[in-house]
Amino acid sequence: GEEVAQTPKHLVRGEGQKAKLYCAPIKGHSYVFWYQQVLKNEFKFLISFQNENVFDETGMPKERFSAKCLPNSPCSLEIQATKLEDSAVYFCASSPHTGANVLTFGAGSRLTVL
Amino acid sequence: EDKVVQSPLSLVVHEGDTVTLNCSYEVTNFRSLLWYKQEKKAPTFLFMLTSSGIEKKSGRLSSILDKKELFSILNITATQTGDSAVYLCAPTDNYGQNFVFGPGTRLSVLP
Repeated sequence: GEEVAQTPKHLVRGEGQKAKLYCAPIKGHSYVFWYQQVLKNEFKFLISFQNENVFDETGMPKERFSAKCLPNSPCSLEIQATKLEDSAVYFCASSPHTGANVLTFGAGSRLTVL
Repeated sequence: EDKVVQSPLSLVVHEGDTVTLNCSYEVTNFRSLLWYKQEKKAPTFLFMLTSSGIEKKSGRLSSILDKKELFSILNITATQTGDSAVYLCAPTDNYGQNFVFGPGTRLSVLP
C-alpha cells in the first residue's frame, strides 16, 4: 500500500501483560523503523530492519522488547511483561532501499499500561 | 554520540507573524537533514536538505542548511493557526538510514 499501516490504534494492558503491535510498511520499502514517543516528548529510536534482518537495534531495551519483520507478514513489536513506563505511542516508519531517504510514518499505536 | 538541539523548544505567536525555528546537529558522517511537522498523530515530511546554502520552499515554509556551521533553519511566514504543531528536525548519517530526531519545537499560533 501507499501508507504505513499500524494496528491496533490503541491497546490497553495491565502491568505484566504482553503487548504486541503491528506495522505494514509501504510496499517496496526495504527499511522499517520503530520509535517510542512518551507523552509527546522526544522520539526514541528502538530498532530498524532491512527487509527481515535487524539493521540497528541500539535503542532496543534488551529485556522485555522484541521485534520481527518476517516475509509476507506485517512487522511486529512485542513487549513482554509491560510496565507503566511503557505507556507511549509507538510509531512505525518505512523508507526505500537506498540513498538519502525520507521516512514515512504510520499513525502510531497508543499503548496504555494500567 | 550523535546530538540534535532544537530551539526554541516552545513558541507562541499570533497569526501573521513570521517564525524561525533552529536546528543544530552533531552527526557522524552527516548526509542530509529532514524536517517534519507533527500535529496530532504521525509526523509528516516537509523538507530534505542535503546541500548547504540552497533554500527549499513550499508555500509559506522555507528551509536552508549550513553544513559548515552544522545547523538548519525552518522559516514560516504569515503564520496561520493551522501551522500549530511540533516541528522536528532529523539529520541522517551517510548511509541515509540512521535518523536522529531532535526534541522538536512546539509552535502555537493564536488567532
